[in-house]
Amino acid sequence: DAGVIQSPRHEVTEMGQEVTLRCKPISGHDYLFWYRQTMMRGLELLIYFNNNVPIDDSGMPEDRFSAKMPNASFSTLKIQPSEPRDSAVYFCASSAGTGNSPLHFGNGTRLTVT
Amino acid sequence: SQKIEQNSEALNIQEGKTATLTCNYTNYSPAYLQWYRQDPGRGPVFLLLIRENEKEKRKERLKVTFDTTLKQSLFHITASQPADSATYLCAPPAGGFKTIFGAGTRLFVKA
Repeated sequence: DAGVIQSPRHEVTEMGQEVTLRCKPISGHDYLFWYRQTMMRGLELLIYFNNNVPIDDSGMPEDRFSAKMPNASFSTLKIQPSEPRDSAVYFCASSAGTGNSPLHFGNGTRLTVT
Repeated sequence: SQKIEQNSEALNIQEGKTATLTCNYTNYSPAYLQWYRQDPGRGPVFLLLIRENEKEKRKERLKVTFDTTLKQSLFHITASQPADSATYLCAPPAGGFKTIFGAGTRLFVKA
């Protein structure tokens, strides 16, 4: 089991640029979650998918953020245009198809927007 | 709105002692609660889940309690070791399949 794989591990970009974060969930997991972690706000849920369909995107901060899951083994989180306040660690997590299944997290992408 | 509170200050204990971390929640009654461990530069790792009808759950040196009257969960690490040093996160559900996380408590175990 390779676990949840995220890329890149670190991303440094300038304000205004487009940023794309990538995630490969654990095979067989029906749910995929995107979280953002900052010192000030902790871990915040941005959006989650079930069977590749977005279920709840109420945590997405604004229209600059978008997420897709074109198939069961790949998801992207895109920020366009990026702003310095988007600097954070972005985590992807996946879980099996029951409500109390634990989340399996990737090691995150540390995004710095200058 | 649903609120989760964990001790924001770090907990420093001596090796061999029992560490006790607190998670308080308000404005709702979760059916279960999860605890995760997070090391620097890594994603959170699931440790234990306790359901509302379970008073206590154990796994090796870990013990979790769940008091629905007090709206509180306690997380204990017995015979603590320096390798237990990490941030521990309390995570109840938030409707549907959403999981929300407390701010976490940093634990330092000194040798």
